[in-house]
Order: sequence, then C-alpha cells, then structure tokens
Amino acid sequence: DSGVTQTPKHLITATGQRVTLRCSPRSGDLSVYWYQQSLDQGLQFLIQYYNGEERAKGNILERFSAQQFPDLHSELNLSSLELGDSALYFCASSVGDPGQGAGYGYTFGSGTRLTVV
Amino acid sequence: AQTVTQSQPEMSVQEAETVTLSCTYDTSESNYYLFWYKQPPSRQMILVIRQEAYKQQNATENRFSVNFQKAAKSFSLKISDSQLGDTAMYFCAFMKPGNDMRFGAGTRLTVKP
Repeated sequence: DSGVTQTPKHLITATGQRVTLRCSPRSGDLSVYWYQQSLDQGLQFLIQYYNGEERAKGNILERFSAQQFPDLHSELNLSSLELGDSALYFCASSVGDPGQGAGYGYTFGSGTRLTVV
Repeated sequence: AQTVTQSQPEMSVQEAETVTLSCTYDTSESNYYLFWYKQPPSRQMILVIRQEAYKQQNATENRFSVNFQKAAKSFSLKISDSQLGDTAMYFCAFMKPGNDMRFGAGTRLTVKP
C-alpha cells in the first residue's frame, strides 16, 4: 500500500456520461497530480494541485475538470465521455511545494481503470 | 518543453544477468531531477531510483544503478542479477523544480527463466 488511495478501482460507463474519480493523498502530502495512461502508453500529465490551489495544467481536455478540497483529497471529473477516454487514471502525491522543487518524486495510487462503452 | 525518449520499446534478459535500459532527455535547464519508475503487471507505479542533476555521483539502490551523463543528457538504468520479479514496464521521468514530472514512453522488460 503506497498510502495514496484511489477510488473506484474500476469503472465502466457509457459514452456521454459523467464520472468522478477520487484520490486521497499520502498523509502529510500537500501536492496532488493527475495522470492519464492509455493502453500500453506512457503517462500524460493532466493537472496539479498544491494545498487546494491549481498549480499547473497539462493536456487536460475541457470536458475534464478537477479540484482539491480543504482536507486535501482531490476529485477528477470527466464528462461527455468518449470511447477514447478509456484509460488508467493515476493520482500521485508529493510532500513538497512544487514551486520549491524538492524533487523527491511522486507516490502513486493504484489507479482507476475507466472503460467507456 | 522537456522531452524524455526511451528508444527501446521492448527488451529481454535472462535471469541473473545484467540489463541496461536507455533514456535520453532534452532540456536547457541545469537543475533538475531524473527518475526511473517500474510498472509491473499490477499497474502500480513504483519509484525505483532518483538522481539529482547537480550530483555527479550516480545513484544506486541495491541491484539498480544509473549511469547519468549530464552533458550527453543520458540517464540509463542498469539492473544487475535480474530476477523474474523485475519483469515490468520501466519509465524514465524528468522533473524541473517547480514543474510536474514528464515521462518517457516506457520500455517493456521481460526477465526469462
């Protein structure tokens, strides 16, 4: 157990629907990152939060949004789902402020496998 | 923008032998961090080793070591005494201070008995 908790582990939904993925960071970590991994591909950065504030955006579609709550858990909302959104979605956390660049690396959750049918 | 290139999509090695996975990156920064992550069939992302660019000494973690060549922008991973449990996808990653981590496309390593 890495300490980063993602729910649900698996999700099957239909095209056009909306889903919410949840992440609880490791205890003490203030930064949360979301990544998308399509089948047998590398990880694509989506968005980053630090202590409730959005810090950076990657290639995140307008149909996707996220937030980090006061208790530091984060949610990734995916709407108007398409077949191509099927992927493994990872949440990761780190202890430091991204702006200070501690460079300790991220701790990853086990991911949410999203299948859009 | 920083890019990370892993030129070997797949590799295989016999159990107990040594294998080296390649990674190159492109950046104009002088201060940054490099990582190797392992993703076994369980899909969990596991940090294997990290290197700070301002440190010349190559990082080592048990059977895993790196060959960091800053001028060549190369960061290879050497796995010694390969074990069946080392079978996994291996991702090289780059992080500039203040930015998110960027990953290469990965190398699928198979350890054969």
